[in-house]
Amino acid sequence: GNSVTQMEGPVTLSEEAFLTINCTYTATGYPSLFWYVQYPGEGLQLLLKATKADDKGSNKGFEATYRKETTSFHLEKGSVQVSDSAVYFCALRDSSASKIIFGSGTRLSIRP
Amino acid sequence: NAGVTQTPKFQVLKTGQSMTLQCAQDMNHNSMYWYRQDPGMGLRLIYYSASEGTTDKGEVPNGYNVSRLNKREFSLRLESAAPSQTSVYFCATMGLAGGHTGELFFGEGSRLTVL
Repeated sequence: GNSVTQMEGPVTLSEEAFLTINCTYTATGYPSLFWYVQYPGEGLQLLLKATKADDKGSNKGFEATYRKETTSFHLEKGSVQVSDSAVYFCALRDSSASKIIFGSGTRLSIRP
Repeated sequence: NAGVTQTPKFQVLKTGQSMTLQCAQDMNHNSMYWYRQDPGMGLRLIYYSASEGTTDKGEVPNGYNVSRLNKREFSLRLESAAPSQTSVYFCATMGLAGGHTGELFFGEGSRLTVL
């Protein structure tokens, strides 16, 4: 079945550091891939998405590229801010289904 | 613009009690979902409704029932609550039109504690 594996946290970085959160997936067909972010006390919200191979999703300085050859969708940001502290979830939607499957989440903390 | 509204936001139950979590959306989306979030487990799908009149089991349906009352509303019922059902529950809808390509829109969550 479909699954998403992302790096375990927590991840703690200093402000302005470079961020990578790894995400790999297993799926049949051509899934759509997503990164969601959850700020403290809130529900999840979409951060970025990619719907086909080699697409790059970007938002708020974050980027992720859909790599079909390595079944990966790693999240990157060149210079993190304290306000980026949150839990990040990688997710996929199978092209033949209505379900979205989530990874276990990575908690990110940024030190001033 | 309310989006996805869940009630109640907090609830404490005793083992064996029943309760219903309500979810309503004003986004005119066909698909609605219930997830639970537990520490270290990410989000796990309980039930979903691809369209009005249909419901399907997700990854962890045991101990829950759902009702898709109409296009706007999707409720989750715990008939006999157990401590293992202590969790944060999220309702979500899926957008497939107007530029959306299958992303979920979430409510703010309902924190349930079963003693």
